Amino acid sequence: QQQVKQSPQSLIVQKGGISIINCAYENTAFDYFPWYQQFPGKGPALLIAIRPDVSEKKEGRFTISFNKSAKQFSLHIMDSQPGDSATYFCAASISGNQFYFGTGTSLTVIP
Amino acid sequence: DTAVSQTPKYLVTQMGNDKSIKCEQNLGHDTMYWYKQDSKKFLKIMFSYNNKELIINETVPNRFSPKSPDKAHLNLHINSLELGDSAVYFCASSLIPDTNYGYTFGSGTRLTVV
Repeated sequence: QQQVKQSPQSLIVQKGGISIINCAYENTAFDYFPWYQQFPGKGPALLIAIRPDVSEKKEGRFTISFNKSAKQFSLHIMDSQPGDSATYFCAASISGNQFYFGTGTSLTVIP
Repeated sequence: DTAVSQTPKYLVTQMGNDKSIKCEQNLGHDTMYWYKQDSKKFLKIMFSYNNKELIINETVPNRFSPKSPDKAHLNLHINSLELGDSAVYFCASSLIPDTNYGYTFGSGTRLTVV
């Protein structure tokens, strides 16, 4: 079964807007939650990651919000740019061992 | 350049053939992986090796056989290729334990079986 559920499947956002992608998990043993960004023809690249001892992590325009009690985490992209258009994957792992990926969100930022 | 490199980038072959994909990392990582990404972009782990030892072997047909000659290399050999094997195959590596626990992915091999 899908260990990490991701939504929406696709997202269209106006330039300058906020992109929000959500993920949910069941296994409370997960202790590391990264987000990966994948451009066409490239491999996924680590974008930002969070551990469950903090509720938010921000790096530039990218923010992860983490709700441990709800077992949910989300990626917020502020001031979205056309260059952010890519597929985004959330993931979860236990101590860096096997990563379970979400099903991906295709983000399109229109000028 | 420090990276995970895989070859070839594209592979077109006929059904029934045997093919190999090679992966090398120069990051000093001790764990390497093979992932399959289907047409819907879903990433599914196939195998994981830690210091040349198989640690994850998901349910994949036994036509797929990984080989790790050393901890910097993980190759994937596929026998008797089928149409359903068409996908993008990604190699990745990581260092366990590591403060980042992140994967570094290669750029993928697009396999097309005709």
